[in-house]
Amino acid sequence: RKEVEQDPGPFNVPEGATVAFNCTYSNSASQSFFWYRQDCRKEPKLLMSVYSSGNEDGRFTAQLNRASQYISLLIRDSKLSDSATYLCVVNSRSGAGSYQLTFGKGTKLSVIP
Amino acid sequence: DVKVTQSSRYLVKRTGEKVFLECVQDMDHENMFWYRQDPGLGLRLIYFSYDVKMKEKGDIPEGYSVSREKKERFSLILESASTNQTSMYLCASSLGTGGASKDTEAFFGQGTRLTVV
Repeated sequence: RKEVEQDPGPFNVPEGATVAFNCTYSNSASQSFFWYRQDCRKEPKLLMSVYSSGNEDGRFTAQLNRASQYISLLIRDSKLSDSATYLCVVNSRSGAGSYQLTFGKGTKLSVIP
Repeated sequence: DVKVTQSSRYLVKRTGEKVFLECVQDMDHENMFWYRQDPGLGLRLIYFSYDVKMKEKGDIPEGYSVSREKKERFSLILESASTNQTSMYLCASSLGTGGASKDTEAFFGQGTRLTVV
């Protein structure tokens, strides 16, 4: 099982729509969870952090389900500027005992006028 | 704001050359990371460092080495560049690594697109 798994998409949605992405992770001892946004040919930038059950910031809501080992990202009222690739990131202990961030391969979102 | 700066946006090198990619962060972060990103494969960790002169292998360290002589600077070295090392290289830093805290958030440089011919 891959460590962090996301549906690659693409998700093509009209402006104003609500869209949800899911991400599953394999390491049950993972402690920190993030959603990053990456625009084409740019670096990833932090969108949201999730430490407990969830986090909300404006149109964006992230939820964590530790029992089922998945994280979700909900985007309400989609804007054209939301078009990007969304990366699910999990902070887990490595085999050597240190912590590492493990990235999913990303979900591509295109918001259409 | 955290600033992570990579020395070059674009590089073209020849097969067999020794290549240095430099990364500097200005927020006194303990941890620094080097990733490469390829289409369909996502971000893969090459090496990371949790302190000066300390380093740990990531998932794909073969063909690479790193150097961290000063806290703010983390260098990635391609000992003998090969065409399969053509990629986007991303440097990142974070304050901490463990636990459920804001300290584990990573901040990225703008990336170096390396082409080996």
